[in-house]
Amino acid sequence: EADIYQTPRYLVIGTGKKITLECSQTMGHDKMYWYQQDPGMELHLIHYSYGVNSTEKGDLSSESTVSRIRTEHFPLTLESARPSHTSQYLCASSERSGGDLLVNEQFFGPGTRLTVL
Amino acid sequence: KNQVEQSPQSLIILEGKNCTLQCNYTVSPFSNLRWYKQDTGRGPVSLTIMTFSENTKSNGRYTATLDADTKQSSLHITASQLSDSASYICVVSDRGSTLGRLYFGRGTQLTVWP
Repeated sequence: EADIYQTPRYLVIGTGKKITLECSQTMGHDKMYWYQQDPGMELHLIHYSYGVNSTEKGDLSSESTVSRIRTEHFPLTLESARPSHTSQYLCASSERSGGDLLVNEQFFGPGTRLTVL
Repeated sequence: KNQVEQSPQSLIILEGKNCTLQCNYTVSPFSNLRWYKQDTGRGPVSLTIMTFSENTKSNGRYTATLDADTKQSSLHITASQLSDSASYICVVSDRGSTLGRLYFGRGTQLTVWP
């Protein structure tokens, strides 16, 4: 099992609240990712990071923001949660280089199920 | 249109039976194809990975095949167990970016009944 952790696992909050989803990995991976997944749908990349102080937006537009101050930590923040943000959020990490397989071998955390009322 | 299409969308089989899941993709240039297993409420876990030159890869009771010419892959599960109940996701990686972008299918939801 991969050493990548997400907290909380489940979160139910009211509209307008600020929330931070935590993601940490102990594998020393440079690349980290945030995906959003709705039931029965494919994963959509919303943020990624090549390393410390690097953050980029993914394919799916998201009102969330991320930061990468430490290699092992990649938190995601929603300043004002809305019901449309209800979804599962998955964090992943991978090696930065070393060939195709290492570049693309992403290890996933268990996910955070977010419900905004 | 999603670049990775999976079928069937859902499948119910009895314990001990075999099944085959399908994946068609249009991702180009192709780098590799993975099958992931995702249990309900968990993150995906990699089962197999195949590059362009590989056409079959096994992991215990899971056997994946790849036809890079027709851009098709299948995942065959032998002697199914109750613990095989999960979503099986086909993921294709392209060679065209340093990010190693992944393209995800929507998954096949497999239910194994006793």
